[in-house]
Amino acid sequence: EAGVTQFPSHSVIEKGQTVTLRCDPISGHDNLYWYRRVMGKEIKFLLHFVKESKQDESGMPNNRFLAERTGGTYSTLKVQPAELEDSGVYFCASSQVGGAIWELFFGEGSRLTVL
Amino acid sequence: QKEVEQDPGPLSVPEGAIVSLNCTYSNSAFQYFMWYRQYSRKGPELLMYTYSSGNKEDGRFTAQVDKSSKYISLFIRDSQPSDSATYLCAMTDSNYQLIWGAGTKLIIKP
Repeated sequence: EAGVTQFPSHSVIEKGQTVTLRCDPISGHDNLYWYRRVMGKEIKFLLHFVKESKQDESGMPNNRFLAERTGGTYSTLKVQPAELEDSGVYFCASSQVGGAIWELFFGEGSRLTVL
Repeated sequence: QKEVEQDPGPLSVPEGAIVSLNCTYSNSAFQYFMWYRQYSRKGPELLMYTYSSGNKEDGRFTAQVDKSSKYISLFIRDSQPSDSATYLCAMTDSNYQLIWGAGTKLIIKP
């Protein structure tokens, strides 16, 4: 069974450009989470989808970040325009609805470098 | 002040040693406590979770929670070079959101 896959694994862009990160959850997992880890800091929650609906987006830092999950399958996280402080590793995680919070499966992350 | 404090390390120990990794937290409302292992360029993977104060053992790993002191620990017995990774503690708040420590980098020397 395929795990959570994220693309790209690493993206290097200049300040002001746009980047779109993609996450494909495990098949059948309706819960999808985005997290971010800035270098040297702890992982922070960004948002949570249940199917295509945003259940909680309280962690989104500002309106330059847009997450979508059309059709309730894969999700995208767009950063537009990117700023230097957006650099970090963006993790996606998925789980079954009704599963415990520790039953999350994480992807390998998308490393974003903004120059 | 961070909600969860974790020494970033690195912590370097010889193979076969007992490793002790720790986190302290400030919010007494935290309910569930997890330990994740993260290898370089990989995502976190769950090692153990606990709810109540006390010990929970799984093979070479023991998770310990002391809610009165707001202190959690992960012990690794008979450490192996393959245990070299970053270990992250995480705990759930009242909204069941994960609150993470910054991670401790562990190096097991052969």
